[in-house]
Amino acid sequence: AQTVTQSQPEMSVQEAETVTLSCTYDTSESDYYLFWYKQPPSRQMILVIRQEAYKQQNATENRFSVNFQKAAKSFSLKISDSQLGDAAMYFCAYRSRINAGGTSYGKLTFGQGTILTVHP
Amino acid sequence: NAGVTQTPKFRVLKTGQSMTLLCAQDMNHEYMYWYRQDPGMGLRLIHYSVGEGTTAKGEVPDGYNVSRLKKQNFLLGLESAAPSQTSVYFCASRRQGAIPEAFFGQGTRLTVV
Repeated sequence: AQTVTQSQPEMSVQEAETVTLSCTYDTSESDYYLFWYKQPPSRQMILVIRQEAYKQQNATENRFSVNFQKAAKSFSLKISDSQLGDAAMYFCAYRSRINAGGTSYGKLTFGQGTILTVHP
Repeated sequence: NAGVTQTPKFRVLKTGQSMTLLCAQDMNHEYMYWYRQDPGMGLRLIHYSVGEGTTAKGEVPDGYNVSRLKKQNFLLGLESAAPSQTSVYFCASRRQGAIPEAFFGQGTRLTVV
Protein backbone atom coordinates (compact mmCIF):
# COMPACT_ATOMS: atom_id res chain seq x y z
CA ALA A 1 0.00 0.00 0.00
CA GLN A 2 1.11 3.52 -0.70
CA THR A 3 1.56 6.15 1.98
CA VAL A 4 1.88 9.92 1.74
CA THR A 5 3.44 12.03 4.49
CA GLN A 6 3.27 15.78 4.99
CA SER A 7 5.50 16.57 7.93
CA GLN A 8 4.56 20.25 8.24
CA PRO A 9 1.18 20.64 9.96
CA GLU A 10 1.39 24.42 9.58
CA MET A 11 3.39 26.89 7.53
CA SER A 12 3.29 30.66 7.23
CA VAL A 13 4.57 33.13 4.67
CA GLN A 14 4.56 36.86 4.11
CA GLU A 15 2.59 38.18 1.20
CA ALA A 16 4.73 38.32 -1.98
CA GLU A 17 7.29 35.90 -0.54
CA THR A 18 7.95 32.28 -1.52
CA VAL A 19 7.04 29.22 0.50
CA THR A 20 7.70 25.51 -0.01
CA LEU A 21 5.44 22.75 1.28
CA SER A 22 6.97 19.30 1.70
CA CYS A 23 5.59 15.90 0.81
CA THR A 24 7.14 12.45 0.79
CA TYR A 25 5.56 9.21 -0.32
CA ASP A 26 6.25 5.54 -0.28
CA THR A 27 5.44 3.19 -3.13
CA SER A 28 6.82 0.20 -4.94
CA GLU A 29 5.23 1.31 -8.20
CA SER A 30 7.12 3.02 -10.97
CA ASP A 31 4.24 4.68 -12.77
CA TYR A 32 1.91 6.99 -10.89
CA TYR A 33 0.57 10.51 -10.52
CA LEU A 34 1.17 13.02 -7.76
CA PHE A 35 -1.09 15.95 -6.97
CA TRP A 36 -1.36 19.01 -4.81
CA TYR A 37 -4.87 20.03 -3.78
CA LYS A 38 -5.89 23.27 -2.12
CA GLN A 39 -8.77 23.37 0.35
CA PRO A 40 -9.86 26.90 1.31
CA PRO A 41 -12.31 27.54 4.17
CA SER A 42 -15.16 26.83 1.75
CA ARG A 43 -14.06 23.15 1.91
CA GLN A 44 -13.94 22.87 -1.87
CA MET A 45 -11.07 20.65 -3.06
CA ILE A 46 -9.21 22.47 -5.82
CA LEU A 47 -6.56 20.80 -7.95
CA VAL A 48 -3.44 22.97 -7.93
CA ILE A 49 -0.94 20.94 -9.90
CA ARG A 50 -0.28 17.44 -11.21
CA GLN A 51 2.91 15.53 -11.91
CA GLU A 52 3.24 12.34 -13.93
CA ALA A 53 5.98 10.13 -12.54
CA TYR A 54 7.30 9.21 -15.98
CA LYS A 55 7.98 12.86 -16.76
CA GLN A 56 11.32 14.17 -15.56
CA GLN A 57 10.35 17.80 -16.02
CA ASN A 58 8.82 19.43 -12.98
CA ALA A 59 5.26 20.65 -13.44
CA THR A 60 4.50 24.37 -13.29
CA GLU A 61 1.19 26.24 -13.13
CA ASN A 62 1.67 30.00 -12.98
CA ARG A 63 2.99 30.78 -9.45
CA PHE A 64 2.91 27.12 -8.41
CA SER A 65 5.70 24.69 -9.19
CA VAL A 66 6.86 21.37 -7.89
CA ASN A 67 10.21 19.78 -7.15
CA PHE A 68 9.74 16.12 -8.01
CA GLN A 69 12.54 13.85 -6.85
CA LYS A 70 11.50 10.36 -7.90
CA ALA A 71 14.44 8.48 -6.39
CA ALA A 72 13.99 10.26 -3.08
CA LYS A 73 10.18 9.92 -3.31
CA SER A 74 9.79 13.58 -2.59
CA PHE A 75 7.24 15.99 -4.09
CA SER A 76 7.36 19.53 -2.74
CA LEU A 77 5.18 22.48 -3.77
CA LYS A 78 6.65 25.94 -4.20
CA ILE A 79 4.34 28.93 -4.15
CA SER A 80 5.95 32.10 -5.48
CA ASP A 81 4.72 35.65 -4.90
CA SER A 82 2.30 34.41 -2.24
CA GLN A 83 -1.10 36.04 -2.15
CA LEU A 84 -3.69 36.30 0.61
CA GLY A 85 -5.94 34.03 -1.44
CA ASP A 86 -3.35 31.25 -1.20
CA ALA A 87 -4.18 30.78 2.48
CA ALA A 88 -5.69 27.30 2.76
CA MET A 89 -5.08 23.69 3.70
CA TYR A 90 -2.89 21.96 1.11
CA PHE A 91 -2.97 18.24 0.52
CA CYS A 92 -0.44 16.12 -1.31
CA ALA A 93 -1.97 13.05 -2.97
CA TYR A 94 -0.80 9.94 -4.80
CA ARG A 95 -2.58 7.93 -7.47
CA SER A 96 -1.50 4.79 -9.22
CA ARG A 97 -1.66 4.95 -12.96
CA ILE A 98 -4.51 2.70 -13.98
CA ASN A 99 -3.13 -0.50 -15.42
CA ALA A 100 -4.65 -2.90 -17.87
CA GLY A 101 -6.39 -4.73 -15.06
CA GLY A 102 -7.79 -1.47 -13.73
CA THR A 103 -7.14 -2.54 -10.18
CA SER A 104 -6.20 0.87 -8.87
CA TYR A 105 -9.39 2.50 -10.16
CA GLY A 106 -7.99 5.96 -9.65
CA LYS A 107 -8.07 5.94 -5.87
CA LEU A 108 -6.27 8.84 -4.23
CA THR A 109 -4.06 8.46 -1.16
CA PHE A 110 -3.75 11.74 0.72
CA GLY A 111 -1.23 13.19 3.12
CA GLN A 112 -2.27 14.73 6.42
CA GLY A 113 -2.41 18.25 5.06
CA THR A 114 -0.51 21.50 5.71
CA ILE A 115 -2.29 24.66 6.80
CA LEU A 116 -0.77 27.66 5.03
CA THR A 117 -1.20 31.11 6.53
CA VAL A 118 -0.35 34.19 4.46
CA HIS A 119 0.48 37.35 6.41
CA PRO A 120 -0.16 40.76 4.80
CA ASN B 1 -23.04 22.25 -15.40
CA ALA B 2 -23.24 21.47 -11.67
CA GLY B 3 -20.35 18.97 -11.52
CA VAL B 4 -20.53 16.96 -8.30
CA THR B 5 -23.31 17.80 -5.87
CA GLN B 6 -23.58 16.48 -2.34
CA THR B 7 -26.74 16.49 -0.25
CA PRO B 8 -27.01 17.55 2.55
CA LYS B 9 -24.23 20.06 3.30
CA PHE B 10 -24.60 19.75 7.09
CA ARG B 11 -26.30 17.24 9.39
CA VAL B 12 -26.43 16.47 13.08
CA LEU B 13 -27.38 12.93 14.07
CA LYS B 14 -27.97 11.23 17.36
CA THR B 15 -26.05 8.06 18.11
CA GLY B 16 -27.85 5.09 16.61
CA GLN B 17 -29.76 7.05 13.98
CA SER B 18 -29.41 6.28 10.31
CA MET B 19 -28.98 8.52 7.32
CA THR B 20 -28.01 8.55 3.67
CA LEU B 21 -25.70 10.97 1.95
CA LEU B 22 -26.38 11.55 -1.72
CA CYS B 23 -23.76 12.30 -4.34
CA ALA B 24 -24.87 13.24 -7.85
CA GLN B 25 -22.64 13.97 -10.83
CA ASP B 26 -23.69 15.19 -14.23
CA MET B 27 -20.46 14.49 -16.11
CA ASN B 28 -21.23 10.87 -17.03
CA HIS B 29 -18.22 9.70 -15.02
CA GLU B 30 -17.71 5.98 -14.54
CA TYR B 31 -15.81 6.15 -11.26
CA MET B 32 -17.16 7.56 -8.01
CA TYR B 33 -15.67 7.69 -4.52
CA TRP B 34 -16.57 8.51 -0.95
CA TYR B 35 -13.85 9.91 1.33
CA ARG B 36 -13.90 11.12 4.90
CA GLN B 37 -11.71 13.94 6.18
CA ASP B 38 -10.53 14.04 9.76
CA PRO B 39 -8.06 16.44 11.40
CA GLY B 40 -4.47 15.29 11.04
CA MET B 41 -5.43 12.35 8.82
CA GLY B 42 -6.16 13.87 5.46
CA LEU B 43 -8.84 12.23 3.34
CA ARG B 44 -9.36 8.49 3.54
CA LEU B 45 -11.28 6.35 1.08
CA ILE B 46 -14.44 4.72 2.43
CA HIS B 47 -15.97 3.03 -0.62
CA TYR B 48 -15.79 3.45 -4.35
CA SER B 49 -17.59 2.39 -7.49
CA VAL B 50 -16.28 1.69 -10.97
CA GLY B 51 -19.67 1.63 -12.63
CA GLU B 52 -23.40 1.34 -12.22
CA GLY B 53 -24.31 -1.56 -9.97
CA THR B 54 -20.76 -2.12 -8.67
CA THR B 55 -19.17 -1.05 -5.39
CA ALA B 56 -15.99 -1.90 -3.50
CA LYS B 57 -14.46 -1.26 -0.09
CA GLY B 58 -11.82 1.35 0.46
CA GLU B 59 -9.51 1.95 3.39
CA VAL B 60 -12.10 2.64 6.11
CA PRO B 61 -15.39 0.92 5.12
CA ASP B 62 -16.65 -0.27 8.52
CA GLY B 63 -19.98 1.22 9.56
CA TYR B 64 -20.86 2.39 6.05
CA ASN B 65 -22.74 0.96 3.10
CA VAL B 66 -23.02 2.27 -0.43
CA SER B 67 -25.12 1.80 -3.50
CA ARG B 68 -24.89 2.88 -7.10
CA LEU B 69 -28.16 2.01 -8.76
CA LYS B 70 -27.80 4.79 -11.31
CA LYS B 71 -24.56 5.87 -12.97
CA GLN B 72 -24.94 9.47 -11.87
CA ASN B 73 -25.67 8.77 -8.19
CA PHE B 74 -23.56 7.26 -5.41
CA LEU B 75 -25.21 6.90 -2.00
CA LEU B 76 -23.41 6.53 1.31
CA GLY B 77 -25.41 5.09 4.17
CA LEU B 78 -24.85 5.02 7.89
CA GLU B 79 -27.11 2.38 9.42
CA SER B 80 -26.38 3.17 13.08
CA ALA B 81 -24.37 6.34 13.49
CA ALA B 82 -21.56 6.50 16.05
CA PRO B 83 -19.64 9.52 17.36
CA SER B 84 -16.53 8.15 15.60
CA GLN B 85 -18.30 8.88 12.31
CA THR B 86 -18.28 12.60 13.01
CA SER B 87 -16.36 13.88 10.02
CA VAL B 88 -16.50 15.78 6.77
CA TYR B 89 -17.49 13.53 3.89
CA PHE B 90 -16.44 14.14 0.31
CA CYS B 91 -17.71 12.56 -2.85
CA ALA B 92 -15.58 12.57 -5.99
CA SER B 93 -15.93 11.32 -9.52
CA ARG B 94 -13.69 10.89 -12.52
CA ARG B 95 -13.81 9.64 -16.04
CA GLN B 96 -12.39 6.27 -16.94
CA GLY B 97 -9.18 6.48 -18.90
CA ALA B 98 -5.87 8.24 -18.88
CA ILE B 99 -6.99 11.71 -17.83
CA PRO B 100 -6.53 11.56 -14.09
CA GLU B 101 -8.39 14.52 -12.64
CA ALA B 102 -11.01 13.80 -10.00
CA PHE B 103 -13.81 16.28 -9.36
CA PHE B 104 -14.95 16.77 -5.78
CA GLY B 105 -18.22 17.78 -4.22
CA GLN B 106 -18.32 20.51 -1.58
CA GLY B 107 -18.45 18.11 1.32
CA THR B 108 -20.94 17.19 4.02
CA ARG B 109 -20.18 18.04 7.62
CA LEU B 110 -21.72 15.32 9.79
CA THR B 111 -21.81 15.50 13.57
CA VAL B 112 -22.94 12.50 15.60
CA VAL B 113 -23.85 13.34 19.20
